[in-house]
Amino acid sequence: AQSVAQPEDQVNVAEGNPLTVKCTYSVSGNPYLFWYVQYPNRGLQFLLKYITGDNLVKGSYGFEAEFNKSQTSFHLKKPSALVSDSALYFCAVRDIPNDYKLSFGAGTTVTVRA
Amino acid sequence: ETGVTQTPRHLVMGMTNKKSLKCEQHLGHNAMYWYKQSAKKPLELMFVYNFKEQTENNSVPSRFSPECPNSSHLFLHLHTLQPEDSALYLCASSPETSSSTDTQYFGPGTRLTVL
Repeated sequence: AQSVAQPEDQVNVAEGNPLTVKCTYSVSGNPYLFWYVQYPNRGLQFLLKYITGDNLVKGSYGFEAEFNKSQTSFHLKKPSALVSDSALYFCAVRDIPNDYKLSFGAGTTVTVRA
Repeated sequence: ETGVTQTPRHLVMGMTNKKSLKCEQHLGHNAMYWYKQSAKKPLELMFVYNFKEQTENNSVPSRFSPECPNSSHLFLHLHTLQPEDSALYLCASSPETSSSTDTQYFGPGTRLTVL
């Protein structure tokens, strides 16, 4: 069975500082990993995904994520956070070939203070 | 977000009402999904359609009834709901269901409140 954990309910950072949102996964096969962001009263917006290849994946709005197979992690990072990055972030995983089912984490609320 | 639209954005209904949520995708996709998002819980997959055929009903109560007349439109008919059904209902679409690498794209959601 596939699952994903986001160990932090909340992350608080100052604007201009690095931002990291943690995600760990558990799969029986090869993982396909996704990050989404949800702004208040909005749907989920796709940020980036890891399918295969380079462990460092670059996505929208200056975000990137690093796939670490040995640590079963896929942490989301941004070198310099903006106040506008304040939102709810979801990690998701699927591992079954030819299957659509995504398992989502419970989400991490990011607050970037000015 | 204009790729997947949902109406209405907000809905308040009584337990005896009948209402419908509408989703439309403009991405040329063939798969559409309904999710329920409750506070502090992971997203729950409710229904899946692929090429207009329902491929998943994730043990959803019969008071929720989906309809997919074509690959671009998806409805969720609501009848005799309970207060615990209050949540954000999200629609998503993807090229199809048979690829593990496809991205699902979400609409803005309908915030449903059941009184």
